[in-house]
Amino acid sequence: DAMVIQNPRYQVTQFGKPVTLSCSQTLNHNVMYWYQQKSSQAPKLLFHYYDKDFNNEADTPDNFQSRRPNTSFCFLDIRSPGLGDAAMYLCATSRGTSGRGRGSYNEQFFGPGTRLTVL
Amino acid sequence: GESVGLHLPTLSVQEGDNSIINCAYSNSASDYFIWYKQESGKGPQFIIDIRSNMDKRQGQRVTVLLNKTVKHLSLQIAATQPGDSAVYFCAEMNRQGGAQKLVFGQGTRLTINP
Repeated sequence: DAMVIQNPRYQVTQFGKPVTLSCSQTLNHNVMYWYQQKSSQAPKLLFHYYDKDFNNEADTPDNFQSRRPNTSFCFLDIRSPGLGDAAMYLCATSRGTSGRGRGSYNEQFFGPGTRLTVL
Repeated sequence: GESVGLHLPTLSVQEGDNSIINCAYSNSASDYFIWYKQESGKGPQFIIDIRSNMDKRQGQRVTVLLNKTVKHLSLQIAATQPGDSAVYFCAEMNRQGGAQKLVFGQGTRLTINP
């Protein structure tokens, strides 16, 4: 059974036309992550939510925004997609480790990704 | 800056042979490393992890070795099968609050030849 679900799996948008990608999870994890993975490259973290707290990576462009209306859902909004934003977008979840101290690790579970094409 | 990188972008091995995928990291303070397998069109899948207080960890057909002296880790896959063909990433974990942020290496594409 799918635990991290991403919709749609393939998304085509036009240059400059806003697009929203969605992620849902059945794991009840309190941390959700969005990664961007360009062709033949490694995934790169864009931002994450710890519960409702949003944490942006320093080099994530302002063009990328995120919303998390509840524990199960998280959205990635690209306000004005450019050709350089064509990529696979991966959502991941994990339990938080607050209070467990150094050395603890909770596995991150990835969704299948949404491949975004910008025309 | 801190980075995690891989030595070889591609690796081809014969089915049944053993394979070794290497990774170098630069953050000596890293205390947790993970290997992921990513098949075409899918998200990364956890394979095996290792804490910095260990130098070896074994799973089913996979072994991860960590050499902190030279900041190097490797993934060994024994008796490779066609299903092992994929891109393999090492990742370094950085903690921020209760979140666990992954910094991925470049990736190695492993091809198993019949």
